[in-house]
Amino acid sequence: DTAVSQTPKYLVTQMGNDKSIKCEQNLGHDTMYWYKQDSKKFLKIMFSYNNKELIINETVPNRFSPKSPDKAHLNLHINSLELGDSAVYFCASSPVSGDVYNEQFFGPGTRLTVL
Amino acid sequence: EDQVTQSPEALRLQEGESSSLNCSYTVSGLRGLFWYRQDPGKGPEFLFTLYSAGEEKEKERLKATLTKKESFLHITAPKPEDSATYLCAVQIAQKLVFGQGTRLTINP
Repeated sequence: DTAVSQTPKYLVTQMGNDKSIKCEQNLGHDTMYWYKQDSKKFLKIMFSYNNKELIINETVPNRFSPKSPDKAHLNLHINSLELGDSAVYFCASSPVSGDVYNEQFFGPGTRLTVL
Repeated sequence: EDQVTQSPEALRLQEGESSSLNCSYTVSGLRGLFWYRQDPGKGPEFLFTLYSAGEEKEKERLKATLTKKESFLHITAPKPEDSATYLCAVQIAQKLVFGQGTRLTINP
């Protein structure tokens, strides 16, 4: 019973292609996130959605477009892939109670390699 | 500018050799400090949340403490299975800002 799942786990593609990564959580959380972890293992937030509404967009190129069809799913679509997009992408979710942001639960990651 | 810095970048210990990892931060409006463990090829796994200076939390061989400027993750009598990268993150408004992590290796 996986809490936060992502597909695919590995994605190898050519520059210029368009690809999507899917994320699902079965924890009943209202808030979901996308993070990028670069080759130096630095983890940086990209987007956050709360109840299907975008609440954080951290100066990410508009080639990246998140989509939340419902509060259990947050997908990431990337257009015109570039070499610099190669990284591990993590999805996460958390319960939020008023102003208190509780711990985030992370998925297993998707390793994207752009050739 | 909000910043989170972890030290050391890497740490090698012998089994049973206790030590501490440091996370220093300069943020305004801290809403919480989080410690995560990350094993190779996996997502970060939550360890602790600390909300106010003076707070301490413990779990098995790990103990996290918080002051107004930094947090420590103390590891007592570590075992090889404690080897991992330990990430510190601070909650600022609606987002987590992570440090670069400390890669801990415990030799048997």
